[in-house]
Amino acid sequence: ETGVTQTPRHLVMGMTNKKSLKCEQHLGHNAMYWYKQSAKKPLELMFVYNFKEQTENNSVPSRFSPECPNSSHLFLHLHTLQPEDSALYLCASSPDRSTIYFGEGSWLTVV
Amino acid sequence: QKEVEQNSGPLSVPEGAIASLNCTYSDRGSQSFFWYRQYSGKSPELIMSIYSNGDKEDGRFTAQLNKASQYVSLLIRDSQPSDSATYLCAVNPDRGSTLGRLYFGRGTQLTVWP
Repeated sequence: ETGVTQTPRHLVMGMTNKKSLKCEQHLGHNAMYWYKQSAKKPLELMFVYNFKEQTENNSVPSRFSPECPNSSHLFLHLHTLQPEDSALYLCASSPDRSTIYFGEGSWLTVV
Repeated sequence: QKEVEQNSGPLSVPEGAIASLNCTYSDRGSQSFFWYRQYSGKSPELIMSIYSNGDKEDGRFTAQLNKASQYVSLLIRDSQPSDSATYLCAVNPDRGSTLGRLYFGRGTQLTVWP
């Protein structure tokens, strides 16, 4: 139990589907993040939210749409994805610049 | 471009030996450095953080930082088979920021054999 909970843990979706990944943190942190981890590539920062305001979009395609309704919840809405978007999507939170805590991740397969 | 470089390995050491993992980074102004451990099929888990030049010890783990050389390392003493995992080096290049944006290396795969 990391204090950062992600659902679903596994998702298979077609290229025309719309789905969402959910993240909830129980740590009272003010910042939340989406990272992507693909095979053979470093972890890539996608989005940063601070006090539910988006502060960074790391050149992520518009088929990925984040939503942060409050400081404890973060969503990643997925629409018309490509097979190369198949990856592990990690949510994380942090109280400050010192430490990031990751959730267990959501394994996404696009078919 | 913020680059974090690690040898991908695999690094293989016998049980009880010292495992040495290395990392270099490109942004000279980086302030915070982290080592994460990632078991296969799991998410990264923070094991060490270091902010000042020198060594920082925590149990069997020692992180070493040399900002002049833009180099950070992790030593694992008395390596155990349970240490077998991928070790990720991460750097926060932000100065004065309240956010923990991290840039990661590709990771070094460590295998400790009995």
